[in-house]
Amino acid sequence: KAGVTQTPRYLIKTRGQQVTLSCSPISGHRSVSWYQQTPGQGLQFLFEYFSETQRNKGNFPGRFSGRQFSNSRSEMNVSTLELGDSALYLCATSPGGRRGYTFGSGTRLTVV
Amino acid sequence: ELKVEQNPLFLSMQEGKNYTIYCNYSTTSDRLYWYRQDPGKSLESLFVLLSNGAVKQEGRLMASLDTKARLSTLHITAAVHDLSATYFCATTLDDKIIFGKGTRLHILP
Repeated sequence: KAGVTQTPRYLIKTRGQQVTLSCSPISGHRSVSWYQQTPGQGLQFLFEYFSETQRNKGNFPGRFSGRQFSNSRSEMNVSTLELGDSALYLCATSPGGRRGYTFGSGTRLTVV
Repeated sequence: ELKVEQNPLFLSMQEGKNYTIYCNYSTTSDRLYWYRQDPGKSLESLFVLLSNGAVKQEGRLMASLDTKARLSTLHITAAVHDLSATYFCATTLDDKIIFGKGTRLHILP
């Protein structure tokens, strides 16, 4: 079966710009979570969506936002980019319940 | 606040040796995950542990969970170079996955 698809894989943006990342889950997976991975902070939780509703949010500024569509695909948006936003952004999807999460390949964002 | 602590954070070991990575978490949780990450790549699910006393094995890796002690271990038996990677444990609180900082494992030939 198809895995979790994240697009784009790589992105270079300038400070002050905004960016939208996409995550298409495995068929049947209704939960989508987003993570930021940096060498200094490790893996940090951004937010989680289930059936188009944000259920949890991490400690990130309001510049980070997301949404989920009726087909479970999710997008995250970062506005007014800062150099510190450079990171690998990972999404993870799950069918829900106590089952595991499958991660996408990630989007590597570089802010210059 | 849920905290997940792994140790060691760095581990260099010889091929053929055994070693254990420890994962402690701070609040009650009913599940524990282990992931592997190769440099520049995403996270690969290794184990999902859902109950006290759960033990799972895949090849040279074995994971266990003690929910009373809030401790999980990842044991490596007779390490081989291909196991060199960063290993993360994680648990959940309210559907939020919290990761440890990862253990960077380097296996020397």
